[in-house]
Amino acid sequence: AQSVTQLDSQVPVFEEAPVELRCNYSSSVSVYLFWYVQYPNQGLQLLLKYLSGSTLVESINGFEAEFNKSQTSFHLRKPSVHISDTAEYFCAVVPGGYQKVTFGTGTKLQVIP
Amino acid sequence: DAGVIQSPRHEVTEMGQEVTLRCKPISGHDYLFWYRQTMMRGLELLIYFNNNVPIDDSGMPEDRFSAKMPNASFSTLKIQPSEPRDSAVYFCASSLSAGSYEQYFGPGTRLTVT
Repeated sequence: AQSVTQLDSQVPVFEEAPVELRCNYSSSVSVYLFWYVQYPNQGLQLLLKYLSGSTLVESINGFEAEFNKSQTSFHLRKPSVHISDTAEYFCAVVPGGYQKVTFGTGTKLQVIP
Repeated sequence: DAGVIQSPRHEVTEMGQEVTLRCKPISGHDYLFWYRQTMMRGLELLIYFNNNVPIDDSGMPEDRFSAKMPNASFSTLKIQPSEPRDSAVYFCASSLSAGSYEQYFGPGTRLTVT
């Protein structure tokens, strides 16, 4: 079985400051890793994913995440946040060969003007 | 494509009533997922289908919940009878095929059971 831990339920950060949202996972098999974002009153949207290859993956709006196998982590970072980044962010894992996704409990990012 | 469509967007019902939530996945997607989101329990997978066949329903809370997918473009999640603790946002999501993994979520149905 897989599990995902997002230790920070809320992260307040000032606009234009950097941010890191932490994600750790546990699995006995190889996994694929994802970050989803949920804006208020909307469904989740895929932000970025790691399937294979380079351990550093980027999104189109400036977020990046690095897969660290030894530390079983997939932390999400952005060097300078904007008000529009205010949302809830979910880390997720999928065991290779399966479709069932395990989501973390989410981290609410609040960007302060 | 219009994306995943869910209806209704909001549902308010009284305890004991039957509730039916509907979902239309993205055309051509082989997988369909039903999730429930609450403050207390977060996002929970209830059931998922592959090519209209239920694959894993281990997340369905109890016999009051049932889900069907009569064809590739339509699925329902039914709660009968409903209880106040069923109040939540229910999401439907679809994904293209085995190995694609990315899930596309609908806007959700906010269910309130009084």
